Amino acid sequence: EAQVTQNPRYLITVTGKKLTVTCSQNMNHEYMSWYRQDPGLGLRQIYYSMNVEVTDKGDVPEGYKVSRKEKRNFPLILESPSPNQTSLYFCASSGLGAYNEQFFGPGTRLTVL
Amino acid sequence: QKEVEQDPGPLSVPEGAIVSLNCTYSNSAFQYFMWYRQYSRKGPELLMYTYSSGNKEDGRFTAQVDKSSKYISLFIRDSQPSDSATYLCAMSAGYGGATNKLIFGTGTLLAVQP
Repeated sequence: EAQVTQNPRYLITVTGKKLTVTCSQNMNHEYMSWYRQDPGLGLRQIYYSMNVEVTDKGDVPEGYKVSRKEKRNFPLILESPSPNQTSLYFCASSGLGAYNEQFFGPGTRLTVL
Repeated sequence: QKEVEQDPGPLSVPEGAIVSLNCTYSNSAFQYFMWYRQYSRKGPELLMYTYSSGNKEDGRFTAQVDKSSKYISLFIRDSQPSDSATYLCAMSAGYGGATNKLIFGTGTLLAVQP
């Protein structure tokens, strides 16, 4: 089954404790992206990657890091989480080209105390 | 001003009603217009997409794009309780690279009452 998976689905942590949210896709997509979803603000892009070892900032990259060492994986790293990073996070992937549907993962609900 | 504006609702309608959902946008570079549906505790899933202006129909769903007015709509005919979800409009300039980035509306929460 073609899908984007994320882990963990739910996470409660404390300020400053480094964490990683994993994202994996099995569709051989070049493009991967992380979004956060907040009430009243909708989905906003954090980082994206066009291929292995190629990453770039989205609209709200502060406090986040990503890496793309393999085509299928695109982890999101919060090195020192803060309460304002409490949010619902989605990973998405698509092919490149004129138009390609972005497929979303199931989401990770993160709470930073 | 946000690039994409969408009324957050909530919108409550009786089963069988025609639902109209709308978004406006400001960036004339947008070429691809999408509607995603998001059920509670799930990721968004693509419902329909349209390139440039015009209409597109898929079963009970019709998407309309008016680029001259920078206005897009999604119509749902004969709405069902299973249509209850948040509907997100999204847009992109397309053609790969950074233009794969989707700009989303804030979403409209729809409840269809049996």
